[in-house]
Amino acid sequence: LAKTTQPISMDSYEGQEVNITCSHNNIATNDYITWYQQFPSQGPRFIIQGYKTKVTNEVASLFIPADRKSSTLSLPRVSLSDTAVYYCLWRDDKIIFGKGTRLHILP
Amino acid sequence: NAGVTQTPKFRVLKTGQSMTLLCAQDMNHEYMYWYRQDPGMGLRLIHYSVGEGTTAKGEVPDGYNVSRLKKQNFLLGLESAAPSQTSVYFCASSYSNREAFFGQGTRLTVV
Repeated sequence: LAKTTQPISMDSYEGQEVNITCSHNNIATNDYITWYQQFPSQGPRFIIQGYKTKVTNEVASLFIPADRKSSTLSLPRVSLSDTAVYYCLWRDDKIIFGKGTRLHILP
Repeated sequence: NAGVTQTPKFRVLKTGQSMTLLCAQDMNHEYMYWYRQDPGMGLRLIHYSVGEGTTAKGEVPDGYNVSRLKKQNFLLGLESAAPSQTSVYFCASSYSNREAFFGQGTRLTVV
C-alpha cells in the first residue's frame, strides 16, 4: 500500500511555476521525504530530498511544514522537457512508489 | 563511472522458461532493489537487499527469487516465466536512506 497521496495528473504552461503537493500522514520521525522524476522508458531520477522546512537545489525546491504530514515540490519556470511523472515518497529500508503525478507541460 | 547497469536490456521468453536478470553497481552501495513497472503504472517493489548476503520481500515477490552474493551484484530470477510477468524491470541502489540510482531497465516479454 502506497504511503503517499498526490494528484494523478496536472497540466501547466511553459514558463510557469508548478507546485505538486503530496500527503504523507504516517511518515516516521526519522524518515526523509524524497521526490523522483521519471521520463517514458527511463528509470526514475532523484530530484530532491528533505526533512523539514525548505530545501532548494538547481532543479527544484521542496517545502515541508512543521508537522511533516505533507510536502510541496516546486518547479520554477517549467519547460516542455519537464513533462514527466513525479513521485513523492518517504522511505525506510524499502523504497515504495505510489502512482505519481503525471505532469504535462503545454506550449 | 557506470552507475547501475542492467543486463540484458531486452528479452523474450516462452512461458515456463527461466532466466536471470543481472544488476551491477559500482558505487559501493549497501542497498539494492528490484522493481517492475507495467504500462501506465508506478513502480512496484519485488525484492530488496540491505547488504551482501541479505534479501527481503517487497510488495510483489511471488514468482521471483533474488540473490546478493556480492555487494555489487543483485540477481533477479524467474524460475518459470508467465505472461503476467511481462513488464519493464528496474534495478536501483543506494546508501541507506539516501537517493537511489536506477538502471535503464530490462524490457521482458513472456509469450
